[in-house]
Amino acid sequence: DAKTTQPPSMDCAEGRAANLPCNHSTISGNEYVYWYRQIHSQGPQYIIHGLKNNETNEMASLIITEDRKSSTLILPHATLRDTAVYYCIVRVARSGSARQLTFGSGTQLTVLP
Amino acid sequence: DAGVIQSPRHEVTEMGQEVTLRCKPISGHNSLFWYRQTMMRGLELLIYFNNNVPIDDSGMPEDRFSAKMPNASFSTLKIQPSEPRDSAVYFCASSIRDSGNTIYFGEGSWLTVV
Repeated sequence: DAKTTQPPSMDCAEGRAANLPCNHSTISGNEYVYWYRQIHSQGPQYIIHGLKNNETNEMASLIITEDRKSSTLILPHATLRDTAVYYCIVRVARSGSARQLTFGSGTQLTVLP
Repeated sequence: DAGVIQSPRHEVTEMGQEVTLRCKPISGHNSLFWYRQTMMRGLELLIYFNNNVPIDDSGMPEDRFSAKMPNASFSTLKIQPSEPRDSAVYFCASSIRDSGNTIYFGEGSWLTVV
């Protein structure tokens, strides 16, 4: 799986959009971009994933650049409960085989009141 | 669905004792993963199973660690004998072989070995 680079920490004002960047310049054509987050003392929580098109769900939006070498996770209206470590992971998601997630250091997002 | 269920949530044990952590994956999921998290090393994969069969145990630290999955709804991670450096949060996770292979985590078992 390709390596990812994320800033170690970011702050965001409550109610504003949080934009979390991730670089994955060595991504392969069959690798997806996954985002997970871990709120203190809890297990990692799946947020969203995508291959090359932008994706949106009830939690967040994922914007992937055309060359797929970077992506941005967007939390449109951050709340204090979104304070967590956010992990960007690149991984093959081939149907018929399970592949583990390899976690890096992630970005500590702190939402400020 | 209840999600991935782990027990115990917290355990404090003395060095040398046997520790058994338990996991019930999400019903219908056919892959199960054991991760360990420490401040120093972050989240590390220990072992994972597909259809109850161990696929990759290269992350298991040493012979003191063993994992079993006797059926699709239950797995154990055993440490015998336990040592203080085994103190960590142990997460179990499961997934289903769909196109997304999304992995869902339990709330973890917090282990302290004194």
